[in-house]
Amino acid sequence: AAGVIQSPRHLIKEKRETATLKCYPIPRHDTVYWYQQGPGQDPQFLISFYEKMQSDKGSIPDRFSAQQFSDYHSELNMSSLELGDSALYFCASSLLTSGGAEFTDTQYFGPGTRLTVL
Amino acid sequence: KQEVTQIPAALSVPEGENLVLNCSFTDSAIYNLQWFRQDPGKGLTSLLLIQSSQREQTSGRLNASLDKSSGRSTLYIAASQPGDSATYLCAVFSFGNEKLTFGTGTRLTIIP
Repeated sequence: AAGVIQSPRHLIKEKRETATLKCYPIPRHDTVYWYQQGPGQDPQFLISFYEKMQSDKGSIPDRFSAQQFSDYHSELNMSSLELGDSALYFCASSLLTSGGAEFTDTQYFGPGTRLTVL
Repeated sequence: KQEVTQIPAALSVPEGENLVLNCSFTDSAIYNLQWFRQDPGKGLTSLLLIQSSQREQTSGRLNASLDKSSGRSTLYIAASQPGDSATYLCAVFSFGNEKLTFGTGTRLTIIP
């Protein structure tokens, strides 16, 4: 079965550079989530999109932006990189289902992009 | 604000034993709760998802229970194997928050 694809898997950047992470959700999934996991930390929510519209925003720095495109893939753009941005960045996708009360189905996570800022 | 706690932070048990991992959350207004497994430096693998209306879910040697009113979930692993060694994370999807809130995880080591 198709899974969530993230690229690149590893990325090394210098301070103040820019990075773009890509996420390709599972086919027919309409919701994409981005999470950041620092060393030894639990994943922290950054931002989510439903049907190409931003649906929620977490602790995402102003230096970061993201969007979901017409083909449902998403990109996380990170500018003016700092040492503290070094982390694993996960993308997850799900299919929003509704039946009386709305609830979301399982979030499937991609393998992550390991960003190292030097 | 939803807070998720997992105790213990680390657990070591001999191979073959049954074990229970605990997860607690502060806000019972949840859509669902998910248990994940994460190997060092790797991604998150979803193990089980329990909807708010359910009490438990089973998959192979894994059984997850949910007591929404008390804000608790447990993950039961039967007949543990060395391959079960990993960090186990629980996460809740709450009303009004379009995201998962993760616990800090339990690092499990199965001793051969």
